[in-house]
Amino acid sequence: ETGVTQSPTHLIKTRGQQVTLRCSSQSGHNTVSWYQQALGQGPQFIFQYYREEENGRGNFPPRFSGLQFPNYSSELNVNALELDDSALYLCASSLSPSYEQYFGPGTRLTVT
Amino acid sequence: AQRVTQPEKLLSVFKGAPVELKCNYSYSGSPELFWYVQYSRQRLQLLLRHISRESIKGFTADLNKGETSFHLKKPFAQEEDSAMYYCALSGGKGQNFVFGPGTRLSVLP
Repeated sequence: ETGVTQSPTHLIKTRGQQVTLRCSSQSGHNTVSWYQQALGQGPQFIFQYYREEENGRGNFPPRFSGLQFPNYSSELNVNALELDDSALYLCASSLSPSYEQYFGPGTRLTVT
Repeated sequence: AQRVTQPEKLLSVFKGAPVELKCNYSYSGSPELFWYVQYSRQRLQLLLRHISRESIKGFTADLNKGETSFHLKKPFAQEEDSAMYYCALSGGKGQNFVFGPGTRLSVLP
């Protein structure tokens, strides 16, 4: 059984650019949650997708958007990148929203 | 507003000593409380959740609604317990998780 995978591992972008991060959920999981983890802080909830629909959203501006595909993989898109968007972005999948979350290794985004 | 606080950034104890990692929360309702752990070079993983009332790796946590706390305890710390520990809450149905800032536990030989 394959665990949660994320791509890319790390990337560097320039302020104002757009970025897409990808997450493949664990087999059988229909729920994906995205988190932003700044250095020295705990993960901050961005949003959750359940069966291709947004199922909750944290305190992030609309330039953070997402998608979940029929195979339950997911994308996180960030437009108009700002320096403060530099962080580790974590994806977690679960059997359903109330079940245990399994985290991926994260994507390290640096905005210069 | 939902909030989780962990007052200690770093907690150092000797092997065999009791350990308590503090967690306090604010939430207007009945939250679900969790402890997550991240060992060195590993992914974040669930340690325990209050509704299951389990003891995992010797750790327990009791939800105290009066004090709005969910402290993590272990009677005898082991060196392999050294890790980053995060307390988290959910407003229900797995939605809108809020994580605390984390406490780094260092168990000294």
